[in-house]
Amino acid sequence: AQSVSQHNHHVILSEAASLELGCNYSYGGTVNLFWYVQYPGQHLQLLLKYFSGDPLVKGIKGFEAEFIKSKFSFNLRKPSVQWSDTAEYFCAAYGGATNKLIFGTGTLLAVQP
Amino acid sequence: DSGVTQTPKHLITATGQRVTLRCSPRSGDLSVYWYQQSLDQGLQFLIQYYNGEERAKGNILERFSAQQFPDLHSELNLSSLELGDSALYFCASSVGQAPTEQYFGPGTRLTVT
Repeated sequence: AQSVSQHNHHVILSEAASLELGCNYSYGGTVNLFWYVQYPGQHLQLLLKYFSGDPLVKGIKGFEAEFIKSKFSFNLRKPSVQWSDTAEYFCAAYGGATNKLIFGTGTLLAVQP
Repeated sequence: DSGVTQTPKHLITATGQRVTLRCSPRSGDLSVYWYQQSLDQGLQFLIQYYNGEERAKGNILERFSAQQFPDLHSELNLSSLELGDSALYFCASSVGQAPTEQYFGPGTRLTVT
């Protein structure tokens, strides 16, 4: 069955540290990949998306993600985090035989000032 | 603001009761999705409607049902409520049938006592 895995459940960083959140998916064929962010008390917002083309995708607020097909991965990165990046981050995928957007379990990021 | 509205914001009810959650999609979006977010289950896809028709079904219980009306707003009906149904219920919308770029509403927090 199609699934999305996020291995980091809780990450704590200091401001200006670099961030990388892992995301792996198990889909055959064409896959569309997303990262969503949920700030405390708010709704989910789309950070970035990958459909095809350049595997390095740039999103809002300085985030980027790299699609590595051979590793079935779509890791989220940011070179220097800020306190305002404290949020929960969800990786999601759509494709293969499913017509549903499948979310990972989320990674809670806490950035300490 | 994503343009997706949900009412009510909070709902407290007793076990065995029935509630209705309402969602209005962004202007121009034809698909509406319902998700349940809880601490133990994460973000779970429940159901999708596209232009009034059921398009995809996820982990939706038989006690739950949904519909999308001609004006494209949607309602999620939860009946015979149990304590375990306490969760945040999100609605999202997208332009087309494929669950790609979705815009999420602020959610309805349901507490079953």
